[in-house]
Amino acid sequence: EDQVTQSPEALRLQEGESSSLNCSYTVSGLRGLFWYRQDPGKGPEFLFTLYSAGEEKEKERLKATLTKKESFLHITAPKPEDSATYLCAVQADRGSTLGRLYFGRGTQLTVWP
Amino acid sequence: EAQVTQNPRYLITVTGKKLTVTCSQNMNHEYMSWYRQDPGLGLRQIYYSMNVEVTDKGDVPEGYKVSRKEKRNFPLILESPSPNQTSLYFCASSLSYRGNYEQYFGPGTRLTVT
Repeated sequence: EDQVTQSPEALRLQEGESSSLNCSYTVSGLRGLFWYRQDPGKGPEFLFTLYSAGEEKEKERLKATLTKKESFLHITAPKPEDSATYLCAVQADRGSTLGRLYFGRGTQLTVWP
Repeated sequence: EAQVTQNPRYLITVTGKKLTVTCSQNMNHEYMSWYRQDPGLGLRQIYYSMNVEVTDKGDVPEGYKVSRKEKRNFPLILESPSPNQTSLYFCASSLSYRGNYEQYFGPGTRLTVT
């Protein structure tokens, strides 16, 4: 069964303290792995798509990487405005479930000044 | 502005009273989907549609219906709502299911069934 697990569930960082969030997945053939940011009471906001192992993408203080079994979201020198829940999702490369997107439960990040 | 809109944003109803949550996108996207989000359970897919007149079940379809008569609209229907359907609902769309296009989410509908 396809599964996405995110860790840690919650992370508190001091402003400027870099860290990484983990997303591990088990899926038969990965079509794409997605990272989203979600603020309280709002819809998820797209951050990155990763397609194949070894790929990396960056946006401001965020950098996403992908291996064959997991993805990391690295946050460099975070600021309080980076506080949010970060969601990981995978799309399987399988005909019967091609339209399905599987989400992890998210990592709630809090950055304090 | 490219967006996914949902209505209503907040709804309180009683058990058994049929309701419809509308979803519309203005990006000419082929793919649309409904999710529910519950504390501790994350986002779970209810139904999705790969194109007009094509819909399929996600992880938690029981108690829900959908239809896709037009490309831009994908309403979620609860024929007989029950308290366990109290949740935060999101509609999403993407260009196509064939590639690995990111999904764009609506602002959410908070539903309470008493």
